[in-house]
Amino acid sequence: SYVLTQPPSVSVAPGQTARITCGGNNIGSKSVHWYQQKPGQAPVLVVYDDSDRPSGIPERFSGSNSGNTATLTISRVEAGDEADYYCQVWDSSSGPCVFGTGTKVTVL
Amino acid sequence: QVQLVQSGAEVKKPGSSVKVSCKASGGTFSSYAISWVRQAPGQGLEWMGGIIPIFGTANYAQKFQGRVTITADESTSTAYMELSSLRSEDTAVYYCARAEKVITMVRGVGFYFDYWGQGTLVTVSS
Repeated sequence: SYVLTQPPSVSVAPGQTARITCGGNNIGSKSVHWYQQKPGQAPVLVVYDDSDRPSGIPERFSGSNSGNTATLTISRVEAGDEADYYCQVWDSSSGPCVFGTGTKVTVL
Repeated sequence: QVQLVQSGAEVKKPGSSVKVSCKASGGTFSSYAISWVRQAPGQGLEWMGGIIPIFGTANYAQKFQGRVTITADESTSTAYMELSSLRSEDTAVYYCARAEKVITMVRGVGFYFDYWGQGTLVTVSS
């Protein structure tokens, strides 16, 4: 089955940039989507199809995808960005829906 | 604006079944794809399966094949997820989510989840 690997945690100071990676075999050939989940809440879609943002998501959230790594970038990090983040792909040959292992973002 | 409202928390005995509902409003329910995703305490997200009501056929993650049944009632715009033979490891929050399609010539068809229900806690305990 297809596996998506994320770092367990990322720490960042307010105002700095957080980068969360999502590694998978030839992930650049797939569309990658990203979710933010705060404690006790349902996930929220923050980036879809590698780099598109849903309405209402700040421009500070951006995504890229190439080779074996997709990346979610949060610029000018704010305290309210502290959350768990999950990547997700749709792989018809396995799953078909696969979520990454999740990354906890801590704002120092 | 799509809204998904799930049924309330459940406490079940091992070996029993649970059925969680997800009522949709906004948009055209029959053309949605609805998926169910669960999250065990302190763990990540796990896709269980999904259904497109207008087609009526569900597909399931291999892990849950034979134990989960996903259905949809177009007349009430409600999707259901029933999980049988419950065990303690099934204790989790269960979410329904609308799956939006993304299609490209190179990558084919895929789905992401743009609207989520509030979650339903299912506790399995003797």
